[in-house]
Amino acid sequence: KNQVEQSPQSLIILEGKNCTLQCNYTVSPFSNLRWYKQDTGRGPVSLTIMTFSENTKSNGRYTATLDADTKQSSLHITASQLSDSASYICVVPEDTDKLIFGTGTRLQVFP
Amino acid sequence: DAMVIQNPRYQVTQFGKPVTLSCSQTLNHNVMYWYQQKSSQAPKLLFHYYDKDFNNEADTPDNFQSRRPNTSFCFLDIRSPGLGDAAMYLCATSRDMSGAPYEQYFGPGTRLTVT
Repeated sequence: KNQVEQSPQSLIILEGKNCTLQCNYTVSPFSNLRWYKQDTGRGPVSLTIMTFSENTKSNGRYTATLDADTKQSSLHITASQLSDSASYICVVPEDTDKLIFGTGTRLQVFP
Repeated sequence: DAMVIQNPRYQVTQFGKPVTLSCSQTLNHNVMYWYQQKSSQAPKLLFHYYDKDFNNEADTPDNFQSRRPNTSFCFLDIRSPGLGDAAMYLCATSRDMSGAPYEQYFGPGTRLTVT
């Protein structure tokens, strides 16, 4: 069964600190992996899409890595800000293009 | 700015009273999706339209229906809402589905409360 698992489930950090979120997937065949940020009560917003051939991709303070061999991805947030408090969702499409969502990591950044 | 718009943002309905949620997009995308997201859960795809072609997920209850009168608008109709239908409903669009990874753009969601 195609699955996307994320860890940790929740994370609390202090403003200015870095953090790394993990995503493991079993979706096959693999075409791409997406990271979304979802603020409370809002729709998800795309941070990055990584295809099979990409190992690292940055979007401002967000850097995503992908290891297609081990089927793992990470999202690294540098110099966290209060506005980074949100759920971060890892998403991998099935071959039907239906998105398989992870359950997300809830990040809270405190001053 | 091009975007996905959902109205209303908050909807309260009574048990069994039909309700319609709306979504519009200015992106001119071919595909429109409706997701249901319950608290602390991942979004669950209900159905999608590829142009005028409707595609229902196998486990979507018959209570949920959808209409897409034109490229820009898509509606979610809940014929007889139950307490278990209280959730955030997300509309999303994408330019296409197959081939290159087409981004899905999500609207802000409609929070449905059933009393």
